[in-house]
Amino acid sequence: GENVEQHPSTLSVQEGDSAVIKCTYSDSASNYFPWYKQELGKRPQLIIDIRSNVGEKKDQRIAVTLNKTAKHFSLHITETQPEDSAVYFCAAEGSARQLTFGSGTQLTVLP
Amino acid sequence: EAGVTQFPSHSVIEKGQTVTLRCDPISGHDNLYWYRRVMGKEIKFLLHFVKESKQDESGMPNNRFLAERTGGTYSTLKVQPAELEDSGVYFCASSPMMGRTLNEQYFGPGTRLTVT
Repeated sequence: GENVEQHPSTLSVQEGDSAVIKCTYSDSASNYFPWYKQELGKRPQLIIDIRSNVGEKKDQRIAVTLNKTAKHFSLHITETQPEDSAVYFCAAEGSARQLTFGSGTQLTVLP
Repeated sequence: EAGVTQFPSHSVIEKGQTVTLRCDPISGHDNLYWYRRVMGKEIKFLLHFVKESKQDESGMPNNRFLAERTGGTYSTLKVQPAELEDSGVYFCASSPMMGRTLNEQYFGPGTRLTVT
């Protein structure tokens, strides 16, 4: 089955700096890669996703890149703000539509 | 449009008791998924319904877990009898069957289950 590795597990950045979270996956058949943000006590919220027919997608301060050959994808947050502090999960969609998640990254943006 | 809702938000039960969790998906979403996050680890897939049918239940840990989705609307997940290792946060998610957003899974707030 699919295996998704996520790094780092914790990340602290100064407000205004950039943050990068990286994930690798094992199943070359996976074609859909969402990223979720989970604030403390709240539901995981889909913030951006990418499909395998594109290499990069951007939405304001958030961007995701995908390298299908190397089977890795990354989340980039620029100009970080304190409200970006949360746990971020990457995921890969399997053939049966289920998501396999990474172990999560606790991002802390220091004011 | 209302999002995915789950009930209860928190449940504390003793080992050996039974608990039933409920999920109401977004209206019109035929796909319904159950996931679980245990002890701060990754979110793990449990099972997937398409309407009332179980499409994939490969993630269900054992036969103490029973999921139903009668009528293809809301779903229940029953744990009987509960064990200590069942503690965690149970999430439900839903997605449409077709359209531009068919891959996008929208999560509920979760039910935090504590087995003592």
